[in-house]
Amino acid sequence: QKEVEQNSGPLSVPEGAIASLNCTYSDRVSQSFFWYRQYSGKSPELIMSIYSNGDKEDGRFTAQLNKASQYVSLLIRDSQPSDSATYLCAATSISGGYNKLIFGAGTRLAVHP
Amino acid sequence: NAGVTQTPKFRILKIGQSMTLQCAQDMNHNYMYWYRQDPGMGLKLIYYSVGAGITDKGEVPNGYNVSRSTTEDFPLRLELAAPSQTSVYFCASSAWTGRLAGGPGTDTQYFGPGTRLTVL
Repeated sequence: QKEVEQNSGPLSVPEGAIASLNCTYSDRVSQSFFWYRQYSGKSPELIMSIYSNGDKEDGRFTAQLNKASQYVSLLIRDSQPSDSATYLCAATSISGGYNKLIFGAGTRLAVHP
Repeated sequence: NAGVTQTPKFRILKIGQSMTLQCAQDMNHNYMYWYRQDPGMGLKLIYYSVGAGITDKGEVPNGYNVSRSTTEDFPLRLELAAPSQTSVYFCASSAWTGRLAGGPGTDTQYFGPGTRLTVL
């Protein structure tokens, strides 16, 4: 199993709907998780981080972490065409005492009017 | 506050040529990273550094070298360019303050704009 896995998509949702993006992780990563958004041709930008079991809300975004099932998800409410991008899930890997981020391959989200 | 800067933005190399991708940050971050991103793929860690004078390999280090003589700069060197190194290269930095054993910490990574490299 890869350390961080995502469905590559594309995930297509209508404008105004809830987009649900999922990510699973292995035992080789630790308990810090991040969602990055990457527009085509641009660099990734952080939109959410989550460390504790449960939900964390920030505006239209909600990150959910379930440590027992080893998955983390991102919900985008009231999806807008401007949310169309690739969403990268990342988890912290601690090896040799040093912190690194392991990224999933990303899920492409398309929000259509 | 410039954040993370990278130069050049674009470069075309011939097979066997060498070049250095520059990365600088002005946030006084201790951690710096180099990633490559192939089309339609996620980010692969090439090398990282936890401070001046300390570097270590990531997932895909072959064909690359790094150095970290100052906190601000983290250049990536390609010695003998190969077509397989055609990719977009991102530099990132973070200020890790979490416990080494895991748990929450301030480890948000800030990315530079990227360098698009083509090797022909």
